[in-house]
Amino acid sequence: SQTIHQWPATLVQPVGSPLSLECTVEGTSNPNLYWYRQAAGRGLQLLFYSVGIGQISSEVPQNLSASRPQDRQFILSSKKLLLSDSGFYLCASWENTEAFFGQGTRLTVV
Amino acid sequence: DAKTTQPNSMESNEEEPVHLPCNHSTISGTDYIHWYRQLPSQGPEYVIHGLTSNVNNRMASLAIAEDRKSSTLILHRATLRDAAVYYCILRDVIRDTGRRALTFGSGTRLQVQP
Repeated sequence: SQTIHQWPATLVQPVGSPLSLECTVEGTSNPNLYWYRQAAGRGLQLLFYSVGIGQISSEVPQNLSASRPQDRQFILSSKKLLLSDSGFYLCASWENTEAFFGQGTRLTVV
Repeated sequence: DAKTTQPNSMESNEEEPVHLPCNHSTISGTDYIHWYRQLPSQGPEYVIHGLTSNVNNRMASLAIAEDRKSSTLILHRATLRDAAVYYCILRDVIRDTGRRALTFGSGTRLQVQP
């Protein structure tokens, strides 16, 4: 089965600073990849998905962007963080009928 | 997009069965019903999924109503490690390309008392 690696596990960033979260996948090729955000005590909100290199679709207009420079690499970025960007960010991959999630990055914007 | 409705929280005692309900009245004929659970500060993990028939695996059982408008996740003997947020999810079609993804609601927070 797949393994999703995400880093860093926690991050504290000031408002207005840039962001780069990286996700890499092992154990599969050409996966569909997803970025989710989870606010405290809430469900997961789908932010971006990618079906291949350079192919990004956004679900929600926002201050964030995503890129997929390699088959098994998915990056979430921001040029200038807002307080509302705080949350728990999860990278996921979908294979057949099961989704695999990374351990997440907890981002606090101060 | 088809949505699911779950109770916000439930409590159970250790070693007792737990029945976690989920309503999905707008489910389409090709939507699979998935259950995931999430421990604090971790990513969700797969529990079980089904389409029409009841399903069993080593973690749980999934009972699906005949009209598929509701389902129940059954933990046969709850343990303290089963305390988590349980999500009932339908596979959603992403609007612009038709690709399918998982859309998560707020889930049910299960507390297990010793």
